[in-house]
Amino acid sequence: GESVGLHLPTLSVQEGDNSIINCAYSNSASDYFIWYKQESGKGPQFIIDIRSNMDKRQGQRVTVLLNKTVKHLSLQIAATQPGDSAVYFCAERLQGAQKLVFGQGTRLTINP
Amino acid sequence: DTGVSQNPRHKITKRGQNVTFRCDPISEHNRLYWYRQTLGQGPEFLTYFQNEAQLEKSRLLSDRFSAERPKGSFSTLEIQRTEQGDSAMYLCASSLLTGPTNEKLFFGSGTQLSVL
Repeated sequence: GESVGLHLPTLSVQEGDNSIINCAYSNSASDYFIWYKQESGKGPQFIIDIRSNMDKRQGQRVTVLLNKTVKHLSLQIAATQPGDSAVYFCAERLQGAQKLVFGQGTRLTINP
Repeated sequence: DTGVSQNPRHKITKRGQNVTFRCDPISEHNRLYWYRQTLGQGPEFLTYFQNEAQLEKSRLLSDRFSAERPKGSFSTLEIQRTEQGDSAMYLCASSLLTGPTNEKLFFGSGTQLSVL
């Protein structure tokens, strides 16, 4: 069915280290994926997206990797900063569908 | 600041009362979505509009829920006879669909509903 999940509900990293947040999706018919960041009291904020015909996409300090063979998505954040502390959600869109299906989220905590 | 505005930010109501939320999308965005989010969970799709047409509704959207986008700009979400289970963050998002694929949703800060 439509299901997007995350391996770890919480992740703590040292400031300046790299973070990797993982996401497993279940529907091989999904053709579009997005990572969102949500801070307390705010709505989700777009970070980066990737289409299913790609396996890697880079942004500013962030990289998304897509492994369709094992239906796995990851978000890499380089040189994490205190402002990166938030809950991160991956979301998928089924091919032909018009809505995003979100996973549960991973809370990223940056330790000083 | 994503540009999507939601009002009110917080709403406390008693069970059985009706509530209405408003969403103003980013100007010129032709798609508008409503999602619901409970604590510790990801947003769940409720419904979406393309211009003024409501094109899809989730099974989560019971007959007590109604959404409108009369002029293809702002939207309202009304919940009638609220129940405690309706307590959640109601998120609005908008996007500009210019082709058959790919659309980033831009979310507002949400309306936090508490039903007592």
